[in-house]
Amino acid sequence: EPEVTQTPSHQVTQMGQEVILRCVPISNHLYFYWYRQILGQKVEFLVSFYNNEISEKSEIFDDQFSVERPDGSNFTLKIRSTKLEDSAMYFCASSVLGPRASYEQYFGPGTRLTVT
Amino acid sequence: DAKTTQPTSMDCAEGRAANLPCNHSTISGNEYVYWYRQIHSQGPQYIIHGLKNNETNEMASLIITEDRKSSTLILPHATLRDTAVYYCIVTYSGGYQKVTFGTGTKLQVIP
Repeated sequence: EPEVTQTPSHQVTQMGQEVILRCVPISNHLYFYWYRQILGQKVEFLVSFYNNEISEKSEIFDDQFSVERPDGSNFTLKIRSTKLEDSAMYFCASSVLGPRASYEQYFGPGTRLTVT
Repeated sequence: DAKTTQPTSMDCAEGRAANLPCNHSTISGNEYVYWYRQIHSQGPQYIIHGLKNNETNEMASLIITEDRKSSTLILPHATLRDTAVYYCIVTYSGGYQKVTFGTGTKLQVIP
């Protein structure tokens, strides 16, 4: 069964460094998302992406964040200058119009980002 | 998106049906009910969704009341692997419609 994959599974970085989190969505999907979950808290929406542009972004998704689909398969989240509070699990998700006019999202296993 | 209310936690004996309720009294006519779950530290997993009619798939059944103000997710034969946080989400169906997760119901399946 097709699945969303994410790399790396765990990333440790120093404060102020740039990180790129990578995702390979399900191949025929057209809508892409990033979410994050700080330890012990809710899963929070960051950004949605369609047709090579951002469809919606949350307040969390400030100028330090960017997303890109550099080729036909990868979807990346870049954090330019990491802060301690960026430490979280980051989930990528993708969706496509399903047979019942629905857009259920399929999530990857996540990348645990630890900022020291 | 309409607000949902779910119990904080529930227990279920292994092999029995788990019935997870959700109230969504302010749901509008074209909003769907979606259920996702998150097994500890894993990515959320889509389970099932519905608009008006009851739905069943290989994972679960979804019963939506006639007035659509509440619904119940049924796991017919709960296993230990079903221990997870279950999220009921009411949302319009759209390609870039974000999923807004609440606190969900923590289901503990007991041996």
